[in-house]
Amino acid sequence: DAGITQSPRYKITETGRQVTLMCHQTWSHSYMFWYRQDLGHGLRLIYYSAAADITDKGEVPDGYVVSRSKTENFPLTLESATRSQTSVYFCASSAEGGYTFGSGTRLTVV
Amino acid sequence: QKEVEQDPGPLSVPEGAIVSLNCTYSNSAFQYFMWYRQYSRKGPELLMYTYSSGNKEDGRFTAQVDKSSKYISLFIRDSQPSDSATYLCAMTSPGSGNTGKLIFGQGTTLQVKP
Repeated sequence: DAGITQSPRYKITETGRQVTLMCHQTWSHSYMFWYRQDLGHGLRLIYYSAAADITDKGEVPDGYVVSRSKTENFPLTLESATRSQTSVYFCASSAEGGYTFGSGTRLTVV
Repeated sequence: QKEVEQDPGPLSVPEGAIVSLNCTYSNSAFQYFMWYRQYSRKGPELLMYTYSSGNKEDGRFTAQVDKSSKYISLFIRDSQPSDSATYLCAMTSPGSGNTGKLIFGQGTTLQVKP
């Protein structure tokens, strides 16, 4: 199916563990983004990518790592998860006329 | 001060009411303005997209941009219970065109009561 898919939908992990959130899009859009959404803060940009092998930091990049070896994939890794990283994570890709978001990953760090 | 300010609400209206949702912004270089609708436990979906000042209408929805006042609005006519959602305004950072990174408002939660 065409679109943007995120996996897993839900994840519980322990403090200090590494966890990777996956994002895959089928349109070959150049731009891809990772946002986190928290009550009181709205959507905050973590990292974005303008093309394969081109990534840049957003507003809240600390504690996160991204890679983009292929245009269609943009994984987000939490190197050593902390409780403050408990959030809902959204991946998005963009083309003329706006973003398309995935369904989100709800991450809980215990 | 945030670049984009949006009253989080919640806003509760009766079915059939006209709803007005608003955002203010501080960066006069913002070029493209968007409204997203987000249902509970779902990703945001693009509702309206505008460029430059003026109005844009799509069915029951009208987006309005006033660049001189740095103010954007979304109007919903004949509101329905299915319109109950969080509405987020968004705009592009300078130089990004309409495909680059967006700055979002906090979102306004709307409830339309039958």
